Amino acid sequence: EIVLTQSPGTLSLSPGERATLSCRASQSVSSSYLAWYQQKPGQAPRLLIYGASSRATGIPDRFSGSGSGTDFTLTISRLEPEDFAVYYCQQYGSSEVYSFGQGTKLEIK
Amino acid sequence: QVQLVESGGGLVKPGGSLRLSCAASGFTFSDYYMSWIRQAPGKGLEWVSYISSSGSTIYYADSVKGRFTISRDNAKNSLYLQMNSLRAEDTAVYYCARGARGGWSFDYWGQGTLVTVSS
Repeated sequence: EIVLTQSPGTLSLSPGERATLSCRASQSVSSSYLAWYQQKPGQAPRLLIYGASSRATGIPDRFSGSGSGTDFTLTISRLEPEDFAVYYCQQYGSSEVYSFGQGTKLEIK
Repeated sequence: QVQLVESGGGLVKPGGSLRLSCAASGFTFSDYYMSWIRQAPGKGLEWVSYISSSGSTIYYADSVKGRFTISRDNAKNSLYLQMNSLRAEDTAVYYCARGARGGWSFDYWGQGTLVTVSS
């Protein structure tokens, strides 16, 4: 089973700053199978990025995804107040199992 | 618009059973694979089970294999999760989620239903 490790655990930034979130896999992941989600308190997760770099419907272009193999990155170019939330990466593996990273909490500094 | 509405959660004793339902609307349910994903209080997301659009292919996480059964009724636009032999560690909000076309992610999620396993 592929394990996803997200870093940092908590990221403290101010609105307007750039955020860089990392997701590292224990084995190589096909880029097609890597996604990112945003979750706000009391809400269901929302799909942001699929296929490592494609934005989901309605997602602002300040969100971008990149990476391949075992290292993937979610970048938020200029933080808006509504972007402060928890972010999860997710992969689908060859053993027919999905897994999520443990999450990165993006908080206001 | 796409809507997924879960129901069936509640308080159950260890060893007990519960059946969750997810009512889908706003899309052609029979065209999409579906999954259940859970989140323990204050914790991260854990994928639980997958079912293909026709119901012919099913996968489970090791943590629930042999205890949980996923199913769907495409005529009723509904997804189900039968949970048996429940344990305290199964306590979580359970989300149903639609599989995204062309990729292995989840593009729509319900609001979740809380399952609490406690004596």
